[in-house]
Parts: sequence; C-alpha cells; structure tokens
Amino acid sequence: SQKIEQNSEALNIQEGKTATLTCNYTNYSPAYLQWYRQDPGRGPVFLLLIRENEKEKRKERLKVTFDTTLKQSLFHITASQPADSATYLCALDYTGGGNKLTFGTGTQLKVEL
Amino acid sequence: DGGITQSPKYLFRKEGQNVTLSCEQNLNHDAMYWYRQDPGQGLRLIYYSQIVNDFQKGDIAEGYSVSREKKESFPLTVTSAQKNPTAFYLCASSINRGHTEAFFGQGTRLTVV
Repeated sequence: SQKIEQNSEALNIQEGKTATLTCNYTNYSPAYLQWYRQDPGRGPVFLLLIRENEKEKRKERLKVTFDTTLKQSLFHITASQPADSATYLCALDYTGGGNKLTFGTGTQLKVEL
Repeated sequence: DGGITQSPKYLFRKEGQNVTLSCEQNLNHDAMYWYRQDPGQGLRLIYYSQIVNDFQKGDIAEGYSVSREKKESFPLTVTSAQKNPTAFYLCASSINRGHTEAFFGQGTRLTVV
C-alpha cells in the first residue's frame, strides 16, 4: 500500500524565516497532492493543491513543489509568523474519479518570536 | 453559512455500547468521508460515499458502519465490535468531480469509559 512520510519531529523556526516541510511517498505517483493545516482539536483546513504535471504552486506566502522523480513534495512558508504555528498535513489522491485522500502523519511547526 | 457540521464535539461511551456520530453538510457535495485520527498516526479513512445510497469501506472499516440516505447526511456508528474506539473522528465532504479539496468538520472526540 502507499506510504506517505512526513517528518514526525516538530520544526521550530524563528519568526521571519522560511519554513520548509517535506512529504515523501512510496510506490506510484499520485495524480494530485494537497496540503492542509490543522490546529489542535480542530479539523484540517485546505491550503494548496498541486497536480502531477505542475512543478510549483504559490499562494501568498505559501509555495508547494512536486517532484514526481524524487516522489517528494516540499511546502514552504516564507516570512513565517507565530500564527503559522500548527500541524501541516500532506494528502495524496490516487483514484481516477472522485477523491479518496490518503494523509500523512503531519509535521508540527512552531514559529518563535 | 455553508459548511460541514459534526455533533457532538465530545462523546463518552461505555464499553459494549454502540454510538452514532452525526455529520451534516449544506455544501451540496456528493462525496462524504469519515476519518479517524490518533496521536502520531495521521488521518485514516474509515468509510466514504460518493453518491447517495452508496458507500465503500476505507482502510479501517472494521467495527464501524455508515448510511447515506440523504445527500447532506453521513452518520457513522461506532459499534461494540470496534476494539479501540477512543479517538478523534473527522467527517469531510468534497465535490465528486475531478480532484478537489476536502472540507472538514470540527471533529468529534469519542472516549470510551
């Protein structure tokens, strides 16, 4: 079965720096890859979606890359702020129709003053 | 406001009892999902439904049951056969055309006492 790996250790960075989170997957490449943010005790919130034929996607301070050769996606938050502190989840979609998202375990980001 | 609503937020159940978690959406989405989240394990798919009166098992369906009698409702029953039901349960919905983002509810935290 497909395995999705995200760094289980928390990432601590200083305010204003760029945070980079990694999502690696095994086996076959997904058609789509999504990133979500989850705050404690709440449901995930969608951030960005990138397709297999796209190398990079941006939204405000967020950037996602998708390398199907390395089987890896990188998620960047530039000019990070304490409000960016949360758990970030990578999700992959393999089905030909509709959504059946498989999630990684998430990486906790802490942005310190 | 459009959205997806889960109730209750907290639920306590005695061992051996069945319990039903509610999930309602007014987004007019065809697809609905149930995930379970345990610490350090990310989100795992229990059941999903792409259309009314139809649903499929996810990765961890044993001990759970669902119904999809109405487009806007997808209740999950945690049966006494579920060996370790204490967890955070998340319901989600999405448009069932192409690959799009999932919208999540705020979750139900189930504790077996």
